Amino acid sequence: DVKVTQSSRYLVKRTGEKVFLECVQDMDHENMFWYRQDPGLGLRLIYFSYDVKMKEKGDIPEGYSVSREKKERFSLILESASTNQTSMYLCASIGAGVRNQPQHFGDGTRLSIL
Amino acid sequence: AQKITQTQPGMFVQEKEAVTLDCTYDTSDQSYGLFWYKQPSSGEMIFLIYQGSYDEQNATEGRYSLNFQKARKSANLVISASQLGDSAMYFCAMRVYNTDKLIFGTGTRLQVFP
Repeated sequence: DVKVTQSSRYLVKRTGEKVFLECVQDMDHENMFWYRQDPGLGLRLIYFSYDVKMKEKGDIPEGYSVSREKKERFSLILESASTNQTSMYLCASIGAGVRNQPQHFGDGTRLSIL
Repeated sequence: AQKITQTQPGMFVQEKEAVTLDCTYDTSDQSYGLFWYKQPSSGEMIFLIYQGSYDEQNATEGRYSLNFQKARKSANLVISASQLGDSAMYFCAMRVYNTDKLIFGTGTRLQVFP
């Protein structure tokens, strides 16, 4: 069974801090994704990666960066956290080209920026 | 532009009754996939059911079925014999053509009462 693990369920940080959200998957998936979830807005794609060291911007990349040094790990970085980045963050992964298969999600990180 | 629309922010249903959650989509592609996810209050995203655009039969998975009407571009989720544990947020999503990315709707919060 696919396991996607996010490093923290809850995280509280201060404005201006550099914040790292980590995601690890154990199924050798090529594709990994970071989403942000806000009430009334659904899930919005921040960044995704289709291979090691490869990344593409999603719909709302501003204020975020990502890192994928190893296939199993995809990190989301808030360079200088702001209060409007308080949100639920979800990581997902899927193998390449398996179009009828779902993305597998981690349990989410509820991030609060004070 | 590709888009998913869920027009019901909230729904109520009595235990053991059936409920339909609406989802309409917009795409000019001929090949696409539609997914439904359940998100309990604990936050994890649980995959429920998938429908491919070329599938002739409506998808079914246990108590979940997908009422796929291609001409109307709708992919409504039907939950039969609702249970208290079905209370959750439900998201409809569409795979972007020739990629592994998903576009999500804004979700419907379902509450099942005794």
